Amino acid sequence: DGGITQSPKYLFRKEGQNVTLSCEQNLNHDAMYWYRQDPGQGLRLIYYSQIVNDFQKGDIAEGYSVSREKKESFPLTVTSAQKNPTAFYLCASSGTRRRLSSNQPQHFGDGTRLSIL
Amino acid sequence: QQQVKQSPQSLIVQKGGISIINCAYENTAFDYFPWYQQFPGKGPALLIAIRPDVSEKKEGRFTISFNKSAKQFSLHIMDSQPGDSATYFCAASGATGGGNKLTFGTGTQLKVEL
Repeated sequence: DGGITQSPKYLFRKEGQNVTLSCEQNLNHDAMYWYRQDPGQGLRLIYYSQIVNDFQKGDIAEGYSVSREKKESFPLTVTSAQKNPTAFYLCASSGTRRRLSSNQPQHFGDGTRLSIL
Repeated sequence: QQQVKQSPQSLIVQKGGISIINCAYENTAFDYFPWYQQFPGKGPALLIAIRPDVSEKKEGRFTISFNKSAKQFSLHIMDSQPGDSATYFCAASGATGGGNKLTFGTGTQLKVEL
């Protein structure tokens, strides 16, 4: 079945450690997104990518980094500079490039819950 | 910063009743308004969406009402069922050349009681 796979489901980070969250999609979507979800705050955009080898900062990019070397993959690294990393992280994808202007719906994975040890 | 304000934060409805969740936006460039449903431990799933050229869209028990002049839109769940108990998010985006970025409301936790 087509969809978005996030792994791992749970992740623990030690102080000073970088951790990488995986996001893979087989929907042939050009655009991919990373959101952070905290209780009572909805979803906030961290980074997004409209095409391979290109990405832009979202609203809360500090302490995070991404890469987009393949269309199917958009990994997120939570660096040691992110002082409050405990959250539920959601990856999404949407559309095909020629239809980006028509606001294609975003499809979400089932998230990774990151906690500090 | 672009905002979408959502209310109420939580809602309890009796089985068979109508659940109503409201959202208001500020940016008049928004032209796509989806609603997402999220169950615990899962990612949000698209429920229904509307564009500003229509005032209402209905899919089964779910209806979006849209008021462009007031910059408000709402989700109505008719004949609410215990299986509808979830968190609902409204969102908005505009084709402004910045990609298909969604701005989300803060969510409404719906509980449907027997």
